[in-house]
Amino acid sequence: AQSVSQHNHHVILSEAASLELGCNYSYGGTVNLFWYVQYPGQHLQLLLKYFSGDPLVKGIKGFEAEFIKSKFSFNLRKPSVQWSDTAEYFCAVNARNNAGNMLTFGGGTRLMVKP
Amino acid sequence: DVKVTQSSRYLVKRTGEKVFLECVQDMDHENMFWYRQDPGLGLRLIYFSYDVKMKEKGDIPEGYSVSREKKERFSLILESASTNQTSMYLCASSLLGDGGRAGGEQYFGPGTRLTVT
Repeated sequence: AQSVSQHNHHVILSEAASLELGCNYSYGGTVNLFWYVQYPGQHLQLLLKYFSGDPLVKGIKGFEAEFIKSKFSFNLRKPSVQWSDTAEYFCAVNARNNAGNMLTFGGGTRLMVKP
Repeated sequence: DVKVTQSSRYLVKRTGEKVFLECVQDMDHENMFWYRQDPGLGLRLIYFSYDVKMKEKGDIPEGYSVSREKKERFSLILESASTNQTSMYLCASSLLGDGGRAGGEQYFGPGTRLTVT
């Protein structure tokens, strides 16, 4: 069974600091990769996704993620965070041979950005 | 825009009560999912359905059942609620993937925060 690990459960940064959230998955086959974000009081929404092609994926609000196949990683980055980035971030993986299109989620990382 | 709605944002029930959580999506998606979200555990799949009247168990189906009588509606049922089912419940939907090339992206509802006392 596939699993997803997010190394940091809580991250606190000051505005303008750089962000990198780690995500590793365990599955040997081809995968689709996702980062979702949940702002306080809001529903989960897609931040970015990787299906194929350029392993550096750009998403909304200045976020990007890099797929490193050899490391089974899909880390999320942002060069300069804002107070409005305070949220919980979830990495998710979909195995390509999964007919049900199920996602396996990591445990989430709570990011707090201090103004 | 895809819209997934859930019947309640907050719900308080007593131990032993039967609880129904309703989810409706308006984008004709084949797949629908129920998750529970707990701090530090992320989202865990309870059940999913890929077609009307079809259902599959997820990672934590014990204590839950589901019903999908219409394509747009997916219900989660707690037959006899217990305190350890206090959680945030999220519904999601997605298109049936074409062998995986476009599969996986799910659209979520706002969640139902259930408290069982």
